[in-house]
Amino acid sequence: DAGVTQSPTHLIKTRGQQVTLRCSPKSGHDTVSWYQQALGQGPQFIFQYYEEEERQRGNFPDRFSGHQFPNYSSELNVNALLLGDSALYLCASSLGQGQPQHFGDGTRLSIL
Amino acid sequence: AQSVTQLGSHVSVSEGALVLLRCNYSSSVPPYLFWYVQYPNQGLQLLLKYTSAATLVKGINGFEAEFKKSETSFHLTKPSAHMSDAAEYFCAVSHQGAQKLVFGQGTRLTINP
Repeated sequence: DAGVTQSPTHLIKTRGQQVTLRCSPKSGHDTVSWYQQALGQGPQFIFQYYEEEERQRGNFPDRFSGHQFPNYSSELNVNALLLGDSALYLCASSLGQGQPQHFGDGTRLSIL
Repeated sequence: AQSVTQLGSHVSVSEGALVLLRCNYSSSVPPYLFWYVQYPNQGLQLLLKYTSAATLVKGINGFEAEFKKSETSFHLTKPSAHMSDAAEYFCAVSHQGAQKLVFGQGTRLTINP
């Protein structure tokens, strides 16, 4: 039973570019959340998708956007990249409200 | 608003000694509480969760945590540390109907031989 898978594992971009990160949820899960983890910090909630709609959003600018597909997989898009966007981006999936979230190994994004 | 404070960014114990990682939370509604572990270059793995059932929660790898409402605490313990327990530990809070997790800053656990 595959867990949460994220791609790519590492990515290097320059300031001003755009990036797309991908996530496949654990089998049977229908809800996907994205988190940003800066070096030495705890993860910060970006947003959550359920039934292909953004259900909750954290305190992140509109440069951060996402999408959920009918097969429950999800993408995180970041436009106009800033140096401060360098971080580990974690995807988590779950089934139903109140159920624990299962995390992928993340995508490490470096901005030069 | 919800928040989590983890006391001690770095905890060091000897192999075989008691592990105690502290977590205090703030929540205006009954909380769900979680402990996650993160090994280097990996994502987060769920250790245990509290969702308003028993206040003493047992998790994987011999860890347990006790929910104390009067102290707004959810400290993580393990009776005997093992070298493989060395990792970063995160406490997190959410509430029913909102799966958004609010994490603490993390505690790095080091095990001395």
